[in-house]
Amino acid sequence: DQQVKQNSPSLSVQEGRISILNCDYTNSMFDYFLWYKKYPAEGPTFLISISSIKDKNEDGRFTVFLNKSAKHLSLHIVPSQPGDSAVYFCAAYTGNQFYFGTGTSLTVIP
Amino acid sequence: EAQVTQNPRYLITVTGKKLTVTCSQNMNHEYMSWYRQDPGLGLRQIYYSMNVEVTDKGDVPEGYKVSRKEKRNFPLILESPSPNQTSLYFCASSSQVWETQYFGPGTRLLVL
Repeated sequence: DQQVKQNSPSLSVQEGRISILNCDYTNSMFDYFLWYKKYPAEGPTFLISISSIKDKNEDGRFTVFLNKSAKHLSLHIVPSQPGDSAVYFCAAYTGNQFYFGTGTSLTVIP
Repeated sequence: EAQVTQNPRYLITVTGKKLTVTCSQNMNHEYMSWYRQDPGLGLRQIYYSMNVEVTDKGDVPEGYKVSRKEKRNFPLILESPSPNQTSLYFCASSSQVWETQYFGPGTRLLVL
């Protein structure tokens, strides 16, 4: 059973606008959440993370929001750039293990 | 250059023929892990290792074996591959389990 879900397989956004990628989870034991970015023919690369004791973390154009009561995680990219076009995976950690979502393919249109 | 390497990058094999996918990292990382990526299922953790000689099952360990005899290497062994193990495999490492994971470039496996 998928414990981490990304319900939008794809998202298209105009360059300069905000991209919002969403992630839902079911396991309340998750204590750390991460976002990874993946280009074709490459391994995922770490983007940003957030501890379960926080509700927001920022790093440049990237902000992750965590709503524990709703078991919901989101990644905001502002402003979106064409180089952000990639597949984004959210992941959650508990008990020495990582659980990944199915990914959202983001296309930023110039 | 800090990196995780995997070999081979592409592999076509037949059912039942034992194979090993190697993974090596040069960052002196404690934690190493194997994942498989399948359409509609995302990445799923197969096995992980907290340190040398310490390995444990992830979400989908059936049909796989691993070993961690040295800190830098974490090979994935398929003793008797089956078509349902056709997938894209990633090795990853991190200095500690809760730290950022660095992924290898992936190994695409086709089992006929």
